[in-house]
Amino acid sequence: DAKTTQPTSMDCAEGRAANLPCNHSTISGNEYVYWYRQIHSQGPQYIIHGLKNNETNEMASLIITEDRKSSTLILPHATLRDTAVYYCIVRVEYGSSNTGKLIFGQGTTLQVKP
Amino acid sequence: DAGVTQSPTHLIKTRGQQVTLRCSPKSGHDTVSWYQQALGQGPQFIFQYYEEEERQRGNFPDRFSGHQFPNYSSELNVNALLLGDSALYLCASSVWINGGQPQHFGDGTRLSIL
Repeated sequence: DAKTTQPTSMDCAEGRAANLPCNHSTISGNEYVYWYRQIHSQGPQYIIHGLKNNETNEMASLIITEDRKSSTLILPHATLRDTAVYYCIVRVEYGSSNTGKLIFGQGTTLQVKP
Repeated sequence: DAGVTQSPTHLIKTRGQQVTLRCSPKSGHDTVSWYQQALGQGPQFIFQYYEEEERQRGNFPDRFSGHQFPNYSSELNVNALLLGDSALYLCASSVWINGGQPQHFGDGTRLSIL
């Protein structure tokens, strides 16, 4: 079973920031938080990941609470092309020879509206 | 730089047949994972290969088998196909970096069983 809880769906106005929450209250110390998204008929796309510090890349920002029990993915200026299912996943990292599998839940369907 | 490539993109088989799906990882990646995604569901982990060995396996029967070649490419084989094997089969590749191992997905093979 997925170890994260996400809202089923969210709407966002084009050009505004999209803030997608995720609860992972049972996360352990060696588990990373990963975010992926899947646009219809394509494979999941890696967005960002982090352990305990906030992270930012060209696609998004990841804010992890100090107790690590929840996180928020921020798309700063949502466009229509950001409409997708967003998955929040926690995964333990063992090292190069034994990486943890990704366990996908149902995700959040984000609808960006004009 | 080519990403993860999978072949074929679509395939139609009948019950009882066998199928082989192929995956070429992203350049520089050495680990390949396979996932099955049924319609309307999140991807489910099948197994993972590293150094030509199966390192982890999800809850899938022995009809599902795989192989990794010295050039890191991989095959997924499914024997005695059932109607329930109809799904999108996704390949993901990765390599260990300091601070995690994000998996990058191909766009999958759509397998239909008649």
